[in-house]
Amino acid sequence: GDSVTQMEGPVTLSEEAFLTINCTYTATGYPSLFWYVQYPGEGLQLLLKATKADDKGSNKGFEATYRKETTSFHLEKGSVQVSDSAVYFCALSPAEAGGTSYGKLTFGQGTILTVHP
Amino acid sequence: DSGVTQTPKHLITATGQRVTLRCSPRSGDLSVYWYQQSLDQGLQFLIQYYNGEERAKGNILERFSAQQFPDLHSELNLSSLELGDSALYFCASSVAGDGYTFGSGTRLTVV
Repeated sequence: GDSVTQMEGPVTLSEEAFLTINCTYTATGYPSLFWYVQYPGEGLQLLLKATKADDKGSNKGFEATYRKETTSFHLEKGSVQVSDSAVYFCALSPAEAGGTSYGKLTFGQGTILTVHP
Repeated sequence: DSGVTQTPKHLITATGQRVTLRCSPRSGDLSVYWYQQSLDQGLQFLIQYYNGEERAKGNILERFSAQQFPDLHSELNLSSLELGDSALYFCASSVAGDGYTFGSGTRLTVV
């Protein structure tokens, strides 16, 4: 079945450091890929997404490129801030079926990011 | 506000009891998904409904059940509760081409 593997955490960085969180996946066909962020005590918020190979999703300075050849969707940010401290989840949904709805999201285990001033 | 409403936000109950969690999807979204988040299991998919019908089932225990009503809101029923059922329960809704939107969750504590 579908699966998502994220790099082990936690990740601790100083403000303005470069961030990479690795994500690889196993799925058939061409799934859609997502990064979600969860701030302490809150729900999951969509950070960015990509729906086909070579697409780059971007939002709030974060970027991730859908790499079909390496089945990866690594999250990057050039300069992190203290306010980026949160848990980051990589996820996939299966290739759209029938155009009526996405299938279920499969999540990675999450990576805790802590940014110090 | 994401547009997906979950109630209650917090729930404390005793072992053996039964609770109902409620989710109202974003306006126009026909699909509702339920997830359980715990420290040891991470985010686990429980069940999906689409326009009132069960569409997919994940790691949902037999003690748990769900339904989606004609107005598209959904309820997750958890019965014969055990300590291990303590977790965050999230609901999400989606419409094709627009991705998933999550509610803020219900934190269930079983004592």
